[in-house]
Amino acid sequence: GNSVTQMEGPVTLSEEAFLTINCTYTATGYPSLFWYVQYPGEGLQLLLKATKADDKGSNKGFEATYRKETTSFHLEKGSVQVSDSAVYFCALRHQAGTALIFGKGTTLSVSS
Amino acid sequence: SAVISQKPSRDICQRGTSLTIQCQVDSQVTMMFWYRQQPGQSLTLIATANQGSEATYESGFVIDKFPISRPNLTFSTLTVSNMSPEDSSIYLCSVAREADNEQYFGPGTRLTVT
Repeated sequence: GNSVTQMEGPVTLSEEAFLTINCTYTATGYPSLFWYVQYPGEGLQLLLKATKADDKGSNKGFEATYRKETTSFHLEKGSVQVSDSAVYFCALRHQAGTALIFGKGTTLSVSS
Repeated sequence: SAVISQKPSRDICQRGTSLTIQCQVDSQVTMMFWYRQQPGQSLTLIATANQGSEATYESGFVIDKFPISRPNLTFSTLTVSNMSPEDSSIYLCSVAREADNEQYFGPGTRLTVT
């Protein structure tokens, strides 16, 4: 079946460090891929998405590229801030009209 | 975007009782989903509730435990029946808009069963 695997957390970084959170997926065909973020005490928010191979999603300095050959959608940011501390979820949608399937989430903690 | 509200935002319930969670969307949507997020865990899909058809449940979830209603295109309810402490979770309503291929989430209902 369809599934998403994320790197285990927590990830602890100093401010301005480079961030990578790995995400790989298993799916037939060409799913759409997403990163969602959940800040402390808040609801789930869409961070970025990519709908086809080689697409790059970007938002708030975060980027992720849809790599079909490696079935990956790794999240990166060049310089993290304390305000980026949150839980990050990688997700896929196999086809329009179906629900998102989530990875287990990765907790990021950034210290100043 | 779609704005989703849920009621109640949180509740503390006794084991053996039932709680109905309401989900209201500010626009008409065909696809609606209910998820559960157990403490420190990811989101697990409970069921898909499309208007005009019976809800479709994921493996491990049954209608007798989690009955769902979807009376129109802007509203749905999820009932957690005969609750036990293992049902303590955040329950989230979500909708998908075909126009932008995005899925939106409500703020969640935090349920504690004692």
